[in-house]
Amino acid sequence: GQNIDQPTEMTATEGAIVQINCTYQTSGFNGLFWYQQHAGEAPTFLSYNVLDGLEEKGRFSSFLSRSKGYSYLLLKELQMKDSASYLCAVGYGNNRLAFGKGNQVVVIP
Amino acid sequence: DAGVTQSPTHLIKTRGQQVTLRCSPISGHKSVSWYQQVLGQGPQFIFQYYEKEERGRGNFPDRFSARQFPNYSSELNVNALLLGDSALYLCASSLGGQGTAGANVLTFGAGSRLTVL
Repeated sequence: GQNIDQPTEMTATEGAIVQINCTYQTSGFNGLFWYQQHAGEAPTFLSYNVLDGLEEKGRFSSFLSRSKGYSYLLLKELQMKDSASYLCAVGYGNNRLAFGKGNQVVVIP
Repeated sequence: DAGVTQSPTHLIKTRGQQVTLRCSPISGHKSVSWYQQVLGQGPQFIFQYYEKEERGRGNFPDRFSARQFPNYSSELNVNALLLGDSALYLCASSLGGQGTAGANVLTFGAGSRLTVL
């Protein structure tokens, strides 16, 4: 089975950097995915990691350590529009994702 | 290019009724997955179809069923609705294939919000 754990909520100031952690236990791992979900909307894909290390995409970076079952998403230069839930998901089996509960990030001025 | 489209966007049913939700994937995507998202939780996997065949089923009762059509669109059916079935039902499409990470990048539709009274 799959078990994904994320903190539930954090608050950060506009312009700051925030790190969202995710730990997981899974069988059949084939990638670690991050999605952003604004209230009342569908999740939108941010990034994924297959191998250990850091992947950078603009203001977003994601890190993976498979041996530790650990990933984080780094959001830089926070903007008000970044207020959303950030979902960590493990890819397993054939095209399936197991999601965590999501980390609600609140950006304040 | 149109994204993943779902219908209806909102619907209200009563306990015991049946519901059918529809999904059209991104053009060229052969895999369609269904997820249920209850308020405050992450999406939970229900079904995955690839090339019209069921490739996976999550931990949901037999009241839930789905199918994929030759044009890769899909329907999710839920019978004998319970209050606990109230949720956002998300359809996602992907290229599919051999389970590589790239093939697992799901693009979600806006969802169908089901309320059971």
